[in-house]
Amino acid sequence: AAGVIQSPRHLIKEKRETATLKCYPIPRHDTVYWYQQGPGQDPQFLISFYEKMQSDKGSIPDRFSAQQFSDYHSELNMSSLELGDSALYFCASSSPLASGGEEQFFGPGTRLTVL
Amino acid sequence: AQSVSQHNHHVILSEAASLELGCNYSYGGTVNLFWYVQYPGQHLQLLLKYFSGDPLVKGIKGFEAEFIKSKFSFNLRKPSVQWSDTAEYFCAVNAMMDSSYKLIFGSGTRLLVRP
Repeated sequence: AAGVIQSPRHLIKEKRETATLKCYPIPRHDTVYWYQQGPGQDPQFLISFYEKMQSDKGSIPDRFSAQQFSDYHSELNMSSLELGDSALYFCASSSPLASGGEEQFFGPGTRLTVL
Repeated sequence: AQSVSQHNHHVILSEAASLELGCNYSYGGTVNLFWYVQYPGQHLQLLLKYFSGDPLVKGIKGFEAEFIKSKFSFNLRKPSVQWSDTAEYFCAVNAMMDSSYKLIFGSGTRLLVRP
């Protein structure tokens, strides 16, 4: 079965650079979530989108922005990168119609390293 | 605020020992409960989930969990662990809050199984 796809899988950036992470949800899933997992920490919710509109916002820094496109894929844009942004960034998708929104399916993550 | 507590941050067991990882949550409404496993350097994988019905749920790789509503608990168990079970385990609660589902993770439990 198709899963959530994230690209790139690994990304190395310098401080103050920008990064764009992409997430392709499971087909027919219309809700996308972004999480950040720092070293040795639990995943922290950043932001979510439903039907291309922001549906919820968590602990996302102002330097980050995200959007969901007409094909339901989502991009997380990160600017003025800091060393503390080094983390594993997960995307998850769900479909309120298919599963009542109860279950989120996670992608493999993008490991961002800021030097 | 809603939260998920995992009491054991680090657990060390020998192969064939029995495992029980505690998870408690604080939320008074209807919840959906999950246990995820994260092997070293890998992404989150769903072990098992509880939505409704039989409070004893069985997951992959011989894991099971019991939902005890009166105790707000969803403990993970496995009768006999293997070296390959070395990983980090996250309990998560998905609940409807402010008209959207929110997935809240516990802080995780690192399990080391000695051969």
